[in-house]
Amino acid sequence: DAGVIQSPRHEVTEMGQEVTLRCKPISGHDYLFWYRQTMMRGLELLIYFNNNVPIDDSGMPEDRFSAKMPNASFSTLKIQPSEPRDSAVYFCASSLLGGRTGELFFGEGSRLTVL
Amino acid sequence: QKEVEQDPGPLSVPEGAIVSLNCTYSNSAFQYFMWYRQYSRKGPELLMYTYSSGNKEDGRFTAQVDKSSKYISLFIRDSQPSDSATYLCAMRMDSSYKLIFGSGTRLLVRP
Repeated sequence: DAGVIQSPRHEVTEMGQEVTLRCKPISGHDYLFWYRQTMMRGLELLIYFNNNVPIDDSGMPEDRFSAKMPNASFSTLKIQPSEPRDSAVYFCASSLLGGRTGELFFGEGSRLTVL
Repeated sequence: QKEVEQDPGPLSVPEGAIVSLNCTYSNSAFQYFMWYRQYSRKGPELLMYTYSSGNKEDGRFTAQVDKSSKYISLFIRDSQPSDSATYLCAMRMDSSYKLIFGSGTRLLVRP
């Protein structure tokens, strides 16, 4: 199995630009999670989906952030407009049955730098 | 105060040492406890999973949960240079799939 696939792996953009991060979960998994990782705050859950439906978006920092899951094999996280404080590594993870055994399968992350 | 506290390290040990990594937490409703390992520039991967209290052993790794003290530990025996990574504790409640992570402890095992 290919695992969770994220793109782009690296993104450098200027403040005010729109950023779109993409994720393809593992086939058959019914939960998808978006996390953000920074040195200061560690890994923070932004939003998660169950069967393509957003369940908890309480971690989304503000209205500039939005996430969609139009089908079981694709999700996007969009930041518009981007700010320097959004610089972080964004991880997508998927699991079966919400990871009842604790196992979330993470992608390799998208490293975002906003200048 | 963060829900989950973890010493960031770095922790540097010689090869073969026993390593002890720890987390404390404040939410008594947490029931699922995990340890993830993250290599540099990679995503975290699950190492150990424990439900409620007790010990769990898997090869050189032992996870312990003490709910009365709100304290969890991961022990690594006979540590190897390949164990050098960041170790993240994570936990969640029965009623939610929201996994809360500690900030991670960087471990370096010197050959």
